[in-house]
Amino acid sequence: GAVVSQHPSRVICKSGTSVKIECRSLDFQATTMFWYRQFPKQSLMLMATSNEGSKATYEQGVEKDKFLINHASLTLSTLTVTSAHPEDSSFYICSAREGYLQYFGPGTRLTVT
Amino acid sequence: AQSVTQLDSQVPVFEEAPVELRCNYSSSVSVYLFWYVQYPNQGLQLLLKYLSGSTLVKGINGFEAEFNKSQTSFHLRKPSVHISDTAEYFCAVSDRRGSGNTGKLIFGQGTTLQVKP
Repeated sequence: GAVVSQHPSRVICKSGTSVKIECRSLDFQATTMFWYRQFPKQSLMLMATSNEGSKATYEQGVEKDKFLINHASLTLSTLTVTSAHPEDSSFYICSAREGYLQYFGPGTRLTVT
Repeated sequence: AQSVTQLDSQVPVFEEAPVELRCNYSSSVSVYLFWYVQYPNQGLQLLLKYLSGSTLVKGINGFEAEFNKSQTSFHLRKPSVHISDTAEYFCAVSDRRGSGNTGKLIFGQGTTLQVKP
């Protein structure tokens, strides 16, 4: 099946710094990728839809200047958490769309100290 | 707009017993339906999907689900569970309209399946 990777799997950063998370579709091209956030024991919350070559579409309540998304190629989308704060600590998961299906990455655990 | 309700937050069950995880959805348009499984600190893995056709769909690891349009349900079942089935299970829907389909998934709150020896 289709494989999606994320890098890094875990990252610890200091408050005020920025962190970039990469999402790659390894064996297929994805014009659309999605970024989710998941708090412990909770469901996935869609943050934004990333479309190759155009601006991302953010869900209501998600700060687009804080969570920068770039979908520069058909196999790569990046999420940059700018000026991170402890409340940004979470599990971030990306997915890549192929037809009707979404294939999920393994997630990135972000801890902001 | 769509919404998904998973009726049980936790389902404890003994090994080799049958299990049903319940999912109801609400939508004003036709939808695709999905069940995903998430093991600790991992991403989501697709268990099965309903796109069209037979309302009984079979997935991986012995799971199956039945789409019931009149009851707007898509319950997940397994006749005999194993310890390794312990995980979080998410039901999700996606708008199936053509050009207007963004492919966005709406997830339920999740159900923790705890299989006991």
